Amino acid sequence: GQNIDQPTEMTATEGAIVQINCTYQTSGFNGLFWYQQHAGEAPTFLSYNVLDGLEEKGRFSSFLSRSKGYSYLLLKELQMKDSASYLCAVRDSGYSTLTFGKGTMLLVSP
Amino acid sequence: DTEVTQTPKHLVMGMTNKKSLKCEQHMGHRAMYWYKQKAKKPPELMFVYSYEKLSINESVPSRFSPECPNSSLLNLHLHALQPEDSALYLCASSQPMGTGETYEQYFGPGTRLTVT
Repeated sequence: GQNIDQPTEMTATEGAIVQINCTYQTSGFNGLFWYQQHAGEAPTFLSYNVLDGLEEKGRFSSFLSRSKGYSYLLLKELQMKDSASYLCAVRDSGYSTLTFGKGTMLLVSP
Repeated sequence: DTEVTQTPKHLVMGMTNKKSLKCEQHMGHRAMYWYKQKAKKPPELMFVYSYEKLSINESVPSRFSPECPNSSLLNLHLHALQPEDSALYLCASSQPMGTGETYEQYFGPGTRLTVT
């Protein structure tokens, strides 16, 4: 099984940088995904890590340490539209299935 | 085209009704998924189809019946649901393992289901 932990809520100011952490304990691992979900909408893919290190995509970066069971999503130059839930998801080693963490609700204020 | 479409967007049904949710994708993905999401909770996997065959059923009650008529379509047939089944039902698709680099799942906008 998978146990995935991330903070429930975070707040930040427009223009700032925020880091959302995710820790996991899994029986199998074949990649970690970050999704963004606005209220009432579908999750949208942000980033993917399967090897240790940092992946950068514009204002978003994601880091993975497999030995520590740890990942973070870094959001730079925050905008109001970044207010959303951020879901950390671990993929099982045998299948394409994802197990999602409970999500971190990020509120960006002016 | 990186879109997954779902119909209807909203559905209200009684506990004795039979209804179906539909999902379609034209990205050539051969894995399709049904998730259930309650308010302020993460998506929970219900079913996985790989190459049009049911590969995973996460102990979902039989009142939910999935169907994959072809590689682009996924249905979820609903019968005799309970009020606690009210939720957002999300469809997703991806390439199966071994066929692509990232295999990220693309989600549809969901069907908001209310059971009365």
